[in-house]
Amino acid sequence: NAGVMQNPRHLVRRRGQEARLRCSPMKGHSHVYWYRQLPEEGLKFMVYLQKENIIDESGMPKERFSAEFPKEGPSILRIQQVVRGDSAAYFCASSPGRGENTEAFFGQGTRLTVV
Amino acid sequence: SQKIEQNSEALNIQEGKTATLTCNYTNYSPAYLQWYRQDPGRGPVFLLLIRENEKEKRKERLKVTFDTTLKQSLFHITASQPADSATYLCALDTRNRDDKIIFGKGTRLHILP
Repeated sequence: NAGVMQNPRHLVRRRGQEARLRCSPMKGHSHVYWYRQLPEEGLKFMVYLQKENIIDESGMPKERFSAEFPKEGPSILRIQQVVRGDSAAYFCASSPGRGENTEAFFGQGTRLTVV
Repeated sequence: SQKIEQNSEALNIQEGKTATLTCNYTNYSPAYLQWYRQDPGRGPVFLLLIRENEKEKRKERLKVTFDTTLKQSLFHITASQPADSATYLCALDTRNRDDKIIFGKGTRLHILP
């Protein structure tokens, strides 16, 4: 059973380009979280999704950022017209649901650098 | 909104001693409180979970306590080893109010040989 897979591991984009970050949750997991981490900072919640539904996007900037978790395929975090301030590590986590086993399993992250 | 504070950014402990990390939160008590370990350049790894009606949970050399009156959790590593050096993150599962898992900034623990 592979863990949470994120790709790419490293992504370099020029200002104004689009960044697409992918996350394949663990097999059997239907809940996905996206977090952003700046150097020396904690994980900042961005969005919580279930298959085909956004449950909570209160941590995501209203402009330029969007997330989806389609019925088939990975979850995608999309950042349009990137700016230097978007440079960070973006982590995805998955969990099997909201039952008793509530721990989140994290991927290795995508490090986005905007030049 | 809910806030989480972890006692210090960095903590140095001599090998063999017990390391104690603190997590304080404001407002309401979460349904679950979790602790994760994060190594440089890696994603966090789940360690322990404690429920709001539990006072203490143990796993090998790890112990977590949860005091809803003080709004505090303590995370202990006994007989610490240099391999325990990492950043430790406290996280609140707030499903009793909204649907998030929110994290503190973490404490960088250095175990000195």
